[in-house]
Parts: sequence; structure tokens; C-alpha cells
Amino acid sequence: EPEVTQTPSHQVTQMGQEVILRCVPISNHLYFYWYRQILGQKVEFLVSFYNNEISEKSEIFDDQFSVERPDGSNFTLKIRSTKLEDSAMYFCASSSSFGPNYGYTFGSGTRLTVV
Amino acid sequence: GENVEQHPSTLSVQEGDSAVIKCTYSDSASNYFPWYKQELGKRPQLIIDIRSNVGEKKDQRIAVTLNKTAKHFSLHITETQPEDSAVYFCAPQGGSYIPTFGRGTSLIVHP
Repeated sequence: EPEVTQTPSHQVTQMGQEVILRCVPISNHLYFYWYRQILGQKVEFLVSFYNNEISEKSEIFDDQFSVERPDGSNFTLKIRSTKLEDSAMYFCASSSSFGPNYGYTFGSGTRLTVV
Repeated sequence: GENVEQHPSTLSVQEGDSAVIKCTYSDSASNYFPWYKQELGKRPQLIIDIRSNVGEKKDQRIAVTLNKTAKHFSLHITETQPEDSAVYFCAPQGGSYIPTFGRGTSLIVHP
């Protein structure tokens, strides 16, 4: 079964540093997403990406965050000037279509710890 | 935005019992209703979904029922097993096409 791959699985960074989280979506999927989950809490939408541009973003996704699809396979989330409260599990997801009636395939996540 | 509530937040059952988790939503434009299962430390995985033109869908021991008039849908698990222990999230999709996840229900199945 096709998988969404995320690297690294764990990332520890010092407050104020920049991190880049990487994702390889399923190859024939067209829509890509980043979600985050603070420990013990619900999954929160950050951003959706289609056709090399952001299609939707949440209030969480401010200027500290950016996404990029640098080549035909990778999809990255950059977090600048990390803060303690950025510590969370970050999930990448992809889907073959956008809109209602389609579920997501999630990656295994990157656990980000800001110290 | 969509307001999503899940009940209960925690559900403890004995192996073999049934479990029901309810999700209420606010956006009347919602027309896709999935349930995700997240085992401890793992990714959410889609386990069942239903579309607005259907009232019920079954897949072996799990089923989802939808009441669009009342704006809620429920996950039903029969003959629960210890491996069903996980956090379950509903994530209705409305007009924005971005799902809003509920806060999750922690299901504990005691052997």
C-alpha cells in the first residue's frame, strides 16, 4: 500500500532555530497538507498545497511557517525562529483529490521538540 | 468555521462489548464524514467514511451512521477487541473542503 514518508521522525532544536520537516507524498496524489498535533490534543490543520501554491491555511500558519515543493517528490514545512510552543507532532498528508468525499493518507509524523 | 464535538472523550469497555462514539458538527454544507483511528504514537488512519447521500455504511465490525438533519454521525464498533484501543477522531468536511478534527475519543478495551 502506498505510503506518505516523513523525515526525520524526531527533531530536537533549540529555541530560535529554523527547522525543515520533509515529506514525500504518494506519487499520484495532487493535494498536500500539513497538520500538527500537540501531545494529547486534536489534530490541527496548518496548510494545504496544490499546483505549487498554498490553497488554504489556518490561523496557526503565520509568517513563521512556509511550505515548498522543491522538486517533483518532496514537500517541506519550514518553521523559522522556533518557539517552545511549536513542540508537537507534525503530520504530512496527501490526497488524490481536493474537496469533499476524499480522505487523507497521513505520514508517520515528525516529532518536533523545541528546547 | 466548523464546530466539531465528540462524545464521549473517554470510553472504557470490556472485550466483546460494543462501542459508540458520536460526532456533532455545525456546518450544514458538510457532506463527507470520515473517522480516523490513531494508535499511541502513530499516525491517524482513515478507517471508515460516509457521504451525505448515504445513511449508514458497514465494514465488518465497524459502521458509521449519519443523521444530516440533526448534524451528527456516529462510529459503531461491535465485538470490540484489545487492538481496537486507540484514539478515534471524526473529521467532517464542509464547504471549505478542509476537515475539522474533533478532539478525539480515547477507547480502552479491557481484555
